[in-house]
Amino acid sequence: QVQLVESGGGVVQPGRSLRLSCAASGFTFSSYGMHWVRQAPGKGLEWVAVISYGGSIKYYGDSVKGRFTISRDDSQNTLYLHMNSLRAEDTAVYYCARHNEIAVAGNDAFDIWGQGTMVTVSS
Amino acid sequence: QAGLTQPPSVSKGLRQTATLTCTGNSNNVGSQGALWLQQHQGHPPKLLSYRNNNRPSGISERLSASRSGNTASLTITGLQPEDEADYYCSAWDSSLSAWVFGGGTKLNVL
Repeated sequence: QVQLVESGGGVVQPGRSLRLSCAASGFTFSSYGMHWVRQAPGKGLEWVAVISYGGSIKYYGDSVKGRFTISRDDSQNTLYLHMNSLRAEDTAVYYCARHNEIAVAGNDAFDIWGQGTMVTVSS
Repeated sequence: QAGLTQPPSVSKGLRQTATLTCTGNSNNVGSQGALWLQQHQGHPPKLLSYRNNNRPSGISERLSASRSGNTASLTITGLQPEDEADYYCSAWDSSLSAWVFGGGTKLNVL
């Protein structure tokens, strides 16, 4: 069945780096844009980044711009989020989600979600 | 990034109708439309509606979405206990070149 599985979360010190992965199965991964969305404990959803199918278009939320990089490896059906210069306020569950339309601005988005991976930034 | 505005909570009785609102501006909801997500405690979000009133397969017909100007709405009729959850709206913001979310509405079914 269609599935997204995140991994790579954990406890990391402020200023350090971490790479999250999202393994896709059950659909043609290379044909879809993909998002990262995060949720701090007890808080609402915050969009982090999106990458188009093919990987040529990427957009980021203001709070992570310049620190986080979204990428994909279609040969491995895997989405990545490279997080640098981590801060306490980056502590959250990180979800990957599928974008169900060619244009990353298209409204048919977030149709499939993973279970999330927790990132805790603390000294 | 400026987000979309949702009321923090709405309370309705069993079998009643709840209407949740989401207010943005002409760069997001007003031009791009909104989508709606439901999240139960401890679970990932689930898409309920996209492009204003398209429901993914398996989503109850008790849910309907609409838009008027810069405000999107999600109406849930015949409220059931399982409808108690957090509801989020989201839209693409063409001026920010970013997706934005509302702060979420906690729907309480009494």
